[in-house]
Amino acid sequence: AQKITQTQPGMFVQEKEAVTLDCTYDTSDPSYGLFWYKQPSSGEMIFLIYQGSYDQQNATEGRYSLNFQKARKSANLVISASQLGDSAMYFCAMRERNNFNKFYFGSGTKLNVKP
Amino acid sequence: SQTIHQWPATLVQPVGSPLSLECTVEGTSNPNLYWYRQAAGRGLQLLFYSVGIGQISSEVPQNLSASRPQDRQFILSSKKLLLSDSGFYLCAWSADSFTSTDTQYFGPGTRLTVL
Repeated sequence: AQKITQTQPGMFVQEKEAVTLDCTYDTSDPSYGLFWYKQPSSGEMIFLIYQGSYDQQNATEGRYSLNFQKARKSANLVISASQLGDSAMYFCAMRERNNFNKFYFGSGTKLNVKP
Repeated sequence: SQTIHQWPATLVQPVGSPLSLECTVEGTSNPNLYWYRQAAGRGLQLLFYSVGIGQISSEVPQNLSASRPQDRQFILSSKKLLLSDSGFYLCAWSADSFTSTDTQYFGPGTRLTVL
């Protein structure tokens, strides 16, 4: 089974609006971490936000927030007030405590912000 | 602070030629090191990871190999390149631990075209 599933290959959002990028995960390890990365057309992978499985509150970093629903095993990224510079590929990833040397990545979502 | 270097940035090689990509990390010790490949518009494919000098785990059987001759140096090699080896190669490191916010940090990548 896929460890990380991103079901939206591509998304469009109007500038200044909010957008949610979906991510579901599969693990039996009670301790794990969830990550989101941004990859602009230049190719660099930029770490955005982290959520730990035992964190009580949803993570936030500036305009990025993570909608963590543990029972549903989802970790959606919410970008508020989209900017043209947010156009990029976005990857969700997971790391399990019992196998912490490996990071599992989803297939990514291509976000296009329209002016 | 930690820095990860990768070179070269771009490479065009003929089929059947050898390959050597190098990655070095500064500012940390005993990192986990990773090689990923990314086809255009696609997700990340983990090729190799290493938890220590001389310790290499291969994820995908192919004509590539990896070596870790020093603690903070990771090399990706091939004796004979195939057309299918074209892609964007990313090196990454993470701490050798599972603690809060321990993410992966990526190098700038190498864009390889095999003709």
